[in-house]
Amino acid sequence: KNEVEQSPQNLTAQEGEFITINCSYSVGISALHWLQQHPGGGIVSLFMLSSGKKKHGRLIATINIQEKHSSLHITASHPRDSAVYICAVGTRDDKIIFGKGTRLHILP
Amino acid sequence: DAGITQSPRHKVTETGTPVTLRCHQTENHRYMYWYRQDPGHGLRLIHYSYGVKDTDKGEVSDGYSVSRSKTEDFLLTLESATSSQTSVYFCAIRRNQGLAGTYEQYFGPGTRLTVT
Repeated sequence: KNEVEQSPQNLTAQEGEFITINCSYSVGISALHWLQQHPGGGIVSLFMLSSGKKKHGRLIATINIQEKHSSLHITASHPRDSAVYICAVGTRDDKIIFGKGTRLHILP
Repeated sequence: DAGITQSPRHKVTETGTPVTLRCHQTENHRYMYWYRQDPGHGLRLIHYSYGVKDTDKGEVSDGYSVSRSKTEDFLLTLESATSSQTSVYFCAIRRNQGLAGTYEQYFGPGTRLTVT
């Protein structure tokens, strides 16, 4: 079983829809990261969370440490949000474990 | 952007040839990482460095070696390239945040390597 699981693997939605991507993990962590990768592009750090909730523009990330679960939400989705979203956890023994990513496609 | 560059950005090479990829950073970060990214897999750690001349293996280190002779450069060498090493390679640095044990990673633009 993977230590970091993301769902869904693929998601297609219409422009304007509210998007939720989930991440569950099975190890003790010091922080959880959400990353974004556009097609053919580099990898950008969106959020680092160790508790609670963070918001940046239309993106919201939450984490529940007790349930070992995080969600990334996108409000008022737009075609430019189409990308792969990657969840990664920083473990207490100083490693980083990556999920396999969620491929999001927003249709105009 | 944390001032990370990778070279070359694209390379095609033949099986059995040695290949060296370079990662360069401008902010004097102590930790540097090499990952490979393949379809169906998450990013996988090849090697990392925690200082000049201090390196350690990641989960997929076989067939790769690294060197870090100065803070700003981290080199990844494929001793004798194989087709299974066709991949996209990302370098990353670690930037510590305020809370103990928390940090963010910043990635270079990637190198697409094809081994024929």
